Amino acid sequence: GQQVMQIPQYQHVQEGEDFTTYCNSSTTLSNIQWYKQRPGGHPVFLIQLVKSGEVKKQKRLTFQFGEAKKNSSLHITATQTTDVGTYFCAGLWNAGNMLTFGGGTRLMVKP
Amino acid sequence: NAGVMQNPRHLVRRRGQEARLRCSPMKGHSHVYWYRQLPEEGLKFMVYLQKENIIDESGMPKERFSAEFPKEGPSILRIQQVVRGDSAAYFCASSPPGWLDYEQYFGPGTRLTVT
Repeated sequence: GQQVMQIPQYQHVQEGEDFTTYCNSSTTLSNIQWYKQRPGGHPVFLIQLVKSGEVKKQKRLTFQFGEAKKNSSLHITATQTTDVGTYFCAGLWNAGNMLTFGGGTRLMVKP
Repeated sequence: NAGVMQNPRHLVRRRGQEARLRCSPMKGHSHVYWYRQLPEEGLKFMVYLQKENIIDESGMPKERFSAEFPKEGPSILRIQQVVRGDSAAYFCASSPPGWLDYEQYFGPGTRLTVT
């Protein structure tokens, strides 16, 4: 079946450093969504990207969708301890398919 | 508008017992999804349901697991004869009717422990 590969699996950063997680699909996606799960919590929707080359920002978070719609990234500028959690991407290949989640990147921020 | 409700939040079962997990989607949502998450791992899709219909159960184990979403009442994920390997967090999510590319709203999850 179709898969979304997400790297890295874990990332430790010092507070104030930047962080990036990447998602890759071998085939063209229809759209991609990003979710955040705090430790002990449940996934919460962050954003959806639909257009080729799309870039969206939410405060310190920047989301990108590749030109070929096969990859996406989430970049956090100047991490804070509140950014701790696991970030999941989830891809959709066409309207008839299920959303498929990547394995997640677990971000740990050292104060 | 209440969010997705799941109960119980924590469930302890002995090996061989049955586990019943309930999920009430957000008001107005007709799509329900169940996911399993093992400790320190990602979300694994199990089943997608609409009212009275199983649309996609490609992620469900063939034995012991079943799911339903009746016309009235919550969606139920049922695990018969639980084993230690079933210990996990089970999340339910819902989305509005229409296209599958709507965002999914997750419930707080049920943490199942099999002793």
